[in-house]
Amino acid sequence: DTEVTQTPKHLVMGMTNKKSLKCEQHMGHRAMYWYKQKAKKPPELMFVYSYEKLSINESVPSRFSPECPNSSLLNLHLHALQPEDSALYLCASSRRGSYNEQFFGPGTRLTVL
Amino acid sequence: DQQVKQNSPSLSVQEGRISILNCDYTNSMFDYFLWYKKYPAEGPTFLISISSIKDKNEDGRFTVFLNKSAKHLSLHIVPSQPGDSAVYFCASLSGGSGNTGKLIFGQGTTLQVKP
Repeated sequence: DTEVTQTPKHLVMGMTNKKSLKCEQHMGHRAMYWYKQKAKKPPELMFVYSYEKLSINESVPSRFSPECPNSSLLNLHLHALQPEDSALYLCASSRRGSYNEQFFGPGTRLTVL
Repeated sequence: DQQVKQNSPSLSVQEGRISILNCDYTNSMFDYFLWYKKYPAEGPTFLISISSIKDKNEDGRFTVFLNKSAKHLSLHIVPSQPGDSAVYFCASLSGGSGNTGKLIFGQGTTLQVKP
């Protein structure tokens, strides 16, 4: 299994809603990542988990809350988002270590109304 | 400050010809580079990578060249096919905390391969 899966594919939410994005991989990777991509821009790193522990937080607002319940799963909990948070949210995974390729999921297209 | 730059927003080539996508970086500490291909509404797909101890890496139709002194790398696709039409991102991998890397992407180059 060489796939990173993400659910849901699309999500529309109001500014007062609470929702979660889910990511799963079964490649035995011990590093997992959340990226945000706005239209016509490159992906930007949000969070990195290494061995289920948060190792990098790129100064992301607290309305985004990551969680790594086990080595295969990564969640991103969303609360009180703003319309400017609308974007494609990408999950990735890699073998632990700097010099390893990151494999991306298909992303969740989030729209905040 | 953009540490990875792709100065050509778009490139158009004829099917069967060579596509050359360019990338420059500013941080001399970067020592591992990757190319990703992205179709609309999909996640990036890893294509090929190169370590700074090499100046060339080849995988099928894809070859990446690295010129460390110029802080420049390029991706060659030969022969180009219409299915190669996509956005191509150059990225560097910087060692992060706990030895887990942070990908820094360029702005991307949209490649169109005409039949």
